[in-house]
Amino acid sequence: AQSVTQPDIHITVSEGASLELRCNYSYGATPYLFWYVQSPGQGLQLLLKYFSGDTLVQGIKGFEAEFKRSQSSFNLRKPSVHWSDAAEYFCAVGPAGFQKLVFGTGTRLLVSP
Amino acid sequence: DAGVIQSPRHEVTEMGQEVTLRCKPISGHDYLFWYRQTMMRGLELLIYFNNNVPIDDSGMPEDRFSAKMPNASFSTLKIQPSEPRDSAVYFCASTPTLGDNEQFFGPGTRLTVL
Repeated sequence: AQSVTQPDIHITVSEGASLELRCNYSYGATPYLFWYVQSPGQGLQLLLKYFSGDTLVQGIKGFEAEFKRSQSSFNLRKPSVHWSDAAEYFCAVGPAGFQKLVFGTGTRLLVSP
Repeated sequence: DAGVIQSPRHEVTEMGQEVTLRCKPISGHDYLFWYRQTMMRGLELLIYFNNNVPIDDSGMPEDRFSAKMPNASFSTLKIQPSEPRDSAVYFCASTPTLGDNEQFFGPGTRLTVL
């Protein structure tokens, strides 16, 4: 069965510093991989997704993620964090051909001034 | 495109009452998902539909929960009777059959059962 692990429940980053959120998945084949962001009181918004091809994918709001098959990871990065990035971030995996997604437990990002 | 629409946005009810949450998916999307989000359990998939037919309801916690999709543009999630432990944010999401599995989420319904 597919699973997603986000090992960090909370992360605090200073504004302007770089960010990396970790995501590890378990799946037998190459899955579809997603990062969603949830601002307080809002629904989930897609940041970026990976299906195939270039393992470094660019998303909205200056985020990027790198797929590493050997490590079963899909870590999210941003070179310079803004206060408005404070939110909860979810990694998700979906098997190709199926519409169901499995979500990680989320990482809450706090941005300090 | 109005996106996924959910109503109500907030619901406060008393234990034992029936609660109905509503969702309108994005037009043309064949899949509809109901999720529940709590601090303790995170984001849980309750049930999903394809072309109005329930495909997987293994996440529905109890018989008190039921979901229907009478047509392609409307779905309901009903809790009867409601209990305080049902307090959560309930999200609806939709996705088209042909595509890349991206799910589009509604704003959620925050349910409080007193």
